[in-house]
Amino acid sequence: KNQVEQSPQSLIILEGKNCTLQCNYTVSPFSNLRWYKQDTGRGPVSLTIMTFSENTKSNGRYTATLDADTKQSSLHITASQLSDSASYICVVSSGGSYIPTFGRGTSLIVHP
Amino acid sequence: DTAVSQTPKYLVTQMGNDKSIKCEQNLGHDTMYWYKQDSKKFLKIMFSYNNKELIINETVPNRFSPKSPDKAHLNLHINSLELGDSAVYFCASSQGPAGAGEQYFGPGTRLTVT
Repeated sequence: KNQVEQSPQSLIILEGKNCTLQCNYTVSPFSNLRWYKQDTGRGPVSLTIMTFSENTKSNGRYTATLDADTKQSSLHITASQLSDSASYICVVSSGGSYIPTFGRGTSLIVHP
Repeated sequence: DTAVSQTPKYLVTQMGNDKSIKCEQNLGHDTMYWYKQDSKKFLKIMFSYNNKELIINETVPNRFSPKSPDKAHLNLHINSLELGDSAVYFCASSQGPAGAGEQYFGPGTRLTVT
């Protein structure tokens, strides 16, 4: 069964600090992996998309990594800001139809 | 100049009623999607449409019927609403084959069934 597990479930950090969120998956066959940011009461916003051949991708202060061998991904946030407080969702798609399997998200709170 | 818009934003209705949620995108994308986010914030895909053809229908009850009059619109019609249908429904769109490109989400429609 395809599954995506994210850790930690929630995280509290101080403004300016870095943090790393984890995503482990058992999805097969792998098509792509996405990270989304979802603010409370809003729709998800795409941060990165990675295919099998990509092992790192950056979007400003967000850097995602992918290890297709161990089926792990991480999202690193540098110099956190209050506006980074949100839920971060990992999604892994499978097959030619790119059927997505969602993780349950990591809730990040950045304190001043 | 909103990219993906949904109406209504909130919908409160009684069990057994029929309701529709509308979605429009002005990005010129080929593919549109409907997602359901439950009370625990867990997202699941319901449908995707590529050039007006259904691509994915992930074990969604047939009370839910997507309708795409053209590639800029994907509406969701729900018959005989049940308490378990209460959730936030998100529309999204992307360019190219379903699931391959970057997806842009709408603001969501919060459906409450009483």
